[in-house]
Amino acid sequence: AAGVIQSPRHLIKEKRETATLKCYPIPRHDTVYWYQQGPGQDPQFLISFYEKMQSDKGSIPDRFSAQQFSDYHSELNMSSLELGDSALYFCASSLGSFRYNEQFFGPGTRLTVL
Amino acid sequence: QKEVEQDPGPLSVPEGAIVSLNCTYSNSAFQYFMWYRQYSRKGPELLMYTYSSGNKEDGRFTAQVDKSSKYISLFIRDSQPSDSATYLCAMSGGSNYKLTFGKGTLLTVNP
Repeated sequence: AAGVIQSPRHLIKEKRETATLKCYPIPRHDTVYWYQQGPGQDPQFLISFYEKMQSDKGSIPDRFSAQQFSDYHSELNMSSLELGDSALYFCASSLGSFRYNEQFFGPGTRLTVL
Repeated sequence: QKEVEQDPGPLSVPEGAIVSLNCTYSNSAFQYFMWYRQYSRKGPELLMYTYSSGNKEDGRFTAQVDKSSKYISLFIRDSQPSDSATYLCAMSGGSNYKLTFGKGTLLTVNP
């Protein structure tokens, strides 16, 4: 079965650079969630989209922005990177946003900021 | 205080042992309770999902939710070395379904 695809899997950037993370949800899933997991930490919700509209916003820095495109893939754009942005970034997808549906997680993108 | 508290362990048990993992929470709006398993450097994988209070069993895994105590548990029977992973509790509720996670418990099952 198709799973959530994230690219790139690994990314190394310098401070103050920008990064773009991509997420391709499971086919027919219309909801995407982004989570950030720091070293030894639990995943923290950043932002979510349903049918290409932002549906909720969590602890996402103003330096970050995201969107969901017409094919339902999503991109997380991160600017002015800081050392503290080094983390594993997960994307999860589900079908529908207004009732509970299982969130399927991708393998994550490991971002290292030097 | 975090909304979801989970003892990070680590927890080490012999093969065949019964494992008990627990989380407490403070947000009364949580209605959906999940347990995820996460292997090192991998994405979380859903193990069990429970709506509101009650028990749910799936093979060697049993999830329990006690909303009156704001306490959830995951039991693993006949634990296997392949069960070695980090177990994260997660919850959601209210008007959206973002997940709030516990810190995760690192479990090692020794052969």
